[in-house]
Amino acid sequence: SAVISQKPSRDICQRGTSLTIQCQVDSQVTMMFWYRQQPGQSLTLIATANQGSEATYESGFVIDKFPISRPNLTFSTLTVSNLSPEDSSIYLCSVGGGDTEAFFGQGTRLTVV
Amino acid sequence: AQSVTQLDSQVPVFEEAPVELRCNYSSSVSVYLFWYVQYPNQGLQLLLKYLSGSTLVKGINGFEAEFNKSQTSFHLRKPSVHISDTAEYFCAVSDLDGANNLFFGTGTRLTVIP
Repeated sequence: SAVISQKPSRDICQRGTSLTIQCQVDSQVTMMFWYRQQPGQSLTLIATANQGSEATYESGFVIDKFPISRPNLTFSTLTVSNLSPEDSSIYLCSVGGGDTEAFFGQGTRLTVV
Repeated sequence: AQSVTQLDSQVPVFEEAPVELRCNYSSSVSVYLFWYVQYPNQGLQLLLKYLSGSTLVKGINGFEAEFNKSQTSFHLRKPSVHISDTAEYFCAVSDLDGANNLFFGTGTRLTVIP
């Protein structure tokens, strides 16, 4: 199993600013995943973060808007840049998957005002 | 590419009644199938998964699901629900190409009525 510590748990941000979300895992993992859960909707994969290489972004998500860092095998950050009200969502990091259980952080609830 | 369809966005059911939450998927390759539950103000938790073998899989909290390859379905069932089962339920698939990322359905909100 894996325990994921994600912070902040929630934040209220002004338009045009940025928010950086941190995700700490209690074990070394190759891949970490960042998801967005918009109000009343399902989780959508933003990107996959591999240590030592550029993150891989899904269609509709770009690095300029969602820069990701992966400095080591237990930590990653996601920044949501140039915030607009449409960015108000829950953002989650995850590890595992494939044929094993995926573990999720508690999520970061972002409200943009 | 994979996609997951959960036809029922909300399912109200009385306590101790049976429930079925439907999930259909489409994929050009073989997949792994999962059900996750999200209790209010909590993170996602794995209920059960199908990787291979027996098509009927049992999970936590008395839930089970049956994989039907011909109908590309993975419906979740429980014979008798409790108030504590009120939550959002997500069906998800992961293909076998090693990417490990999950594709989620839009979720079904199960509300158990006393």
